[in-house]
Amino acid sequence: EAQVTQNPRYLITVTGKKLTVTCSQNMNHEYMSWYRQDPGLGLRQIYYSMNVEVTDKGDVPEGYKVSRKEKRNFPLILESPSPNQTSLYFCASSPRDRRDEQFFGPGTRLTVL
Amino acid sequence: SQQGEEDPQALSIQEGENATMNCSYKTSINNLQWYRQNSGRGLVHLILIRSNEREKHSGRLRVTLDTSKKSSSLLITASRAADTASYFCAHYKAAGNKLTFGGGTRVLVKP
Repeated sequence: EAQVTQNPRYLITVTGKKLTVTCSQNMNHEYMSWYRQDPGLGLRQIYYSMNVEVTDKGDVPEGYKVSRKEKRNFPLILESPSPNQTSLYFCASSPRDRRDEQFFGPGTRLTVL
Repeated sequence: SQQGEEDPQALSIQEGENATMNCSYKTSINNLQWYRQNSGRGLVHLILIRSNEREKHSGRLRVTLDTSKKSSSLLITASRAADTASYFCAHYKAAGNKLTFGGGTRVLVKP
């Protein structure tokens, strides 16, 4: 089944404890993005990648890192999480020829205490 | 600030009724998309309408696009309880590979 998977789906952590949220897609898509969703603010893009080893900042990149060592994976790294990073995170992917049609993962609900 | 605003923010209807929600945006677009999200879960792509199209149908969904007014509407006909969800419009920017989402309309379909 064609899909985008994220792990973990739920995570409660404490301030400053490094964490990684994984994202993997099995559709051979070139483009991948991370978004966060917050009440009243909608979805905002954190980082995106247009291909392996090509990443760039979105609208709200502060406090996050990403890597794209393989085409299928696009992990989101929080080196020192803070409570304002408590949010619902979505990974998305799209193919090169239909970049505008993004497939979303199921989301990761992160709480930073 | 967000581009793309949905109206109304919330909608409550009885099963079988139609639900209509609107989306406005500020920039020129190549296409506009609608997504559904069930209570804090993933986003499901519903339909995409291109800037040279005025109306598009998919099952019980009808989307219109008026580029002169920079607005779109989503109509769900003969609603079902399973249609209860939040609905978002979004438009794509190639620079940044970014979908810009509206604030969403929460739809409650009562059985």
